[in-house]
Amino acid sequence: GAVVSQHPSRVICKSGTSVKIECRSLDFQATTMFWYRQFPKQSLMLMATSNEGSKATYEQGVEKDKFLINHASLTLSTLTVTSAHPEDSSFYICSASEMIGQPQHFGDGTRLSIL
Amino acid sequence: AQKVTQAQTEISVVEKEDVTLDCVYETRDTTYYLFWYKQPPSGELVFLIRRNSFDEQNEISGRYSWNFQKSTSSFNFTITASQVVDSAVYFCALSEGSSNTGKLIFGQGTTLQVKP
Repeated sequence: GAVVSQHPSRVICKSGTSVKIECRSLDFQATTMFWYRQFPKQSLMLMATSNEGSKATYEQGVEKDKFLINHASLTLSTLTVTSAHPEDSSFYICSASEMIGQPQHFGDGTRLSIL
Repeated sequence: AQKVTQAQTEISVVEKEDVTLDCVYETRDTTYYLFWYKQPPSGELVFLIRRNSFDEQNEISGRYSWNFQKSTSSFNFTITASQVVDSAVYFCALSEGSSNTGKLIFGQGTTLQVKP
């Protein structure tokens, strides 16, 4: 079945560091990928929709300059948390599907801890 | 506006009990898709089922069954003879047909604890 790979699975770094998270669709092409953020004991909050070859669409309240998204190919989207601070610590998870209406396949998530 | 409500925040049962997780949705679209995902403690999301709005047939997969009722805008999930390995957070989600991206709207999630 379709698989989405997310890397790294865990990051611990100092405040002010920029962190890049990769999301790859391994056996299908994805013109659209999604980035979510999840705080402990809460639901997934959609941050942005990543569109291959064009700008990402950000949800209300999500800072574009803080969370940079690049979707340069049909199998790779990256999320860069720029100048991360402790409040950016969270679980970030990406997803993609082969077609609209089909199940989203999720990466295993990245646990980001900013000291 | 689109919305998914999982009113049960936490449920605790003893192994072998049956348990139903509720999901109520709101949408103005006539075409939409409903999903259930499982999130075990390790964090990954596991796809369980997809239903489109034109298919109200209930489904059974092993110990899992789903009841889709358009009249009440509900898509409930039942685990029969629960096991400790069923302990996880379960999310119900909606994707509207009018969406040109297929983005998911998640419910708040229900934490299921199955005790031995």
